[in-house]
Amino acid sequence: DTGVSQDPRHKITKRGQNVTFRCDPISEHNRLYWYRQTLGQGPEFLTYFQNEAQLEKSRLLSDRFSAERPKGSFSTLEIQRTEQGDSAMYLCASSRRREGIDEQFFGPGTRLTVL
Amino acid sequence: DAKTTQPNSMESNEEEPVHLPCNHSTISGTDYIHWYRQLPSQGPEYVIHGLTSNVNNRMASLAIAEDRKSSTLILHRATLRDAAVYYCILRDVIKAAGNKLTFGGGTRVLVKP
Repeated sequence: DTGVSQDPRHKITKRGQNVTFRCDPISEHNRLYWYRQTLGQGPEFLTYFQNEAQLEKSRLLSDRFSAERPKGSFSTLEIQRTEQGDSAMYLCASSRRREGIDEQFFGPGTRLTVL
Repeated sequence: DAKTTQPNSMESNEEEPVHLPCNHSTISGTDYIHWYRQLPSQGPEYVIHGLTSNVNNRMASLAIAEDRKSSTLILHRATLRDAAVYYCILRDVIKAAGNKLTFGGGTRVLVKP
């Protein structure tokens, strides 16, 4: 079990640029989640995949945000035309429902700073 | 989504027990009570969960009130590595919406040596 990995760990960009983050879940996990966390707050749900299907999206996920999980394995989160308010930690988690419960395993996050 | 209320922060001495309360007065019959914690500079990690009965695992114990309107996470002997933000989360795993975790502000636990 190598855990959930995210790349990059840190990203600094200028306002208006596009950025893309990658998440590699635990290999046998069919569920994948993206969350966003700002300083001093708990993580906020963005979107959820079961295999390659995106089943739920938060209202926080504006038109500038898009997430994909093309083969049901890794996922990408793209932010277009970044704004300073997008600065946050972007967390990915994966899970597999087992015995009625799906414990989510989180990656270390990608910290985005928009200048 | 049912909401939870937790104190903003708590302090404990090393090697002493820590009792973290959580109020969830609007809990529904199919809501499980989950606890996650987030160590500094890391993603959250699962601690424990329960429905009605008290639960124990290697990390902690979960005591659930008889009316399920509150619960307490118990760290039996706090260590410096237990310093983290602890989140109490309700999840209705029957409904699809229960797949996501809805975090509140959590309780920041400070452990003093």
